[in-house]
Amino acid sequence: DAGITQSPRYKITETGRQVTLMCHQTWSHSYMFWYRQDLGHGLRLIYYSAAADITDKGEVPDGYVVSRSKTENFPLTLESATRSQTSVYFCASRGARITEAFFGQGTRLTVV
Amino acid sequence: ELKVEQNPLFLSMQEGKNYTIYCNYSTTSDRLYWYRQDPGKSLESLFVLLSNGAVKQEGRLMASLDTKARLSTLHITAAVHDLSATYFCAVDASNDMRFGAGTRLTVKP
Repeated sequence: DAGITQSPRYKITETGRQVTLMCHQTWSHSYMFWYRQDLGHGLRLIYYSAAADITDKGEVPDGYVVSRSKTENFPLTLESATRSQTSVYFCASRGARITEAFFGQGTRLTVV
Repeated sequence: ELKVEQNPLFLSMQEGKNYTIYCNYSTTSDRLYWYRQDPGKSLESLFVLLSNGAVKQEGRLMASLDTKARLSTLHITAAVHDLSATYFCAVDASNDMRFGAGTRLTVKP
């Protein structure tokens, strides 16, 4: 099915563990984004990517790592999860010329 | 660094009334977005505004962009309960799409 999908939808992990959130889009969009959403903060940009092998830091990159070896995938890794990283994470994509961005369904991550 | 400010953050309206949500941003940009989010759901694109003076309308919602004032507005006409949601503006200055904190709109009968 065409679209943008995130997995898992829900994840509970322990402090200090590494966890990877997956994002896959089928449109071959150039740009992909990772946001976290917390009450009172709206959506904050973690990392974004303009193309395969090109990534840039956003507003809150500390504690996160991204990669983009293929255009369609943009995984987000928390190298050593902390409780402050408990949040809802959204992935988004948009084309170079198509300016509308499309969002995945989100991943609710709880760090205990 | 680009800052995006929305106001109000909370808005309670009576059905049938009009109101405006404001979105200010700190650096030059000619690309602004409005999104809607229902509780527990993802974000849905409402409008994309790409130039100074751009105005777009869909149903009871109308969005406009003034790049000189670095201001966008989302006007709600004759609100209905179905418009209850959180509305976000987002600004794209360097292909990095930054969001405001959102306006939680509640429309009461």
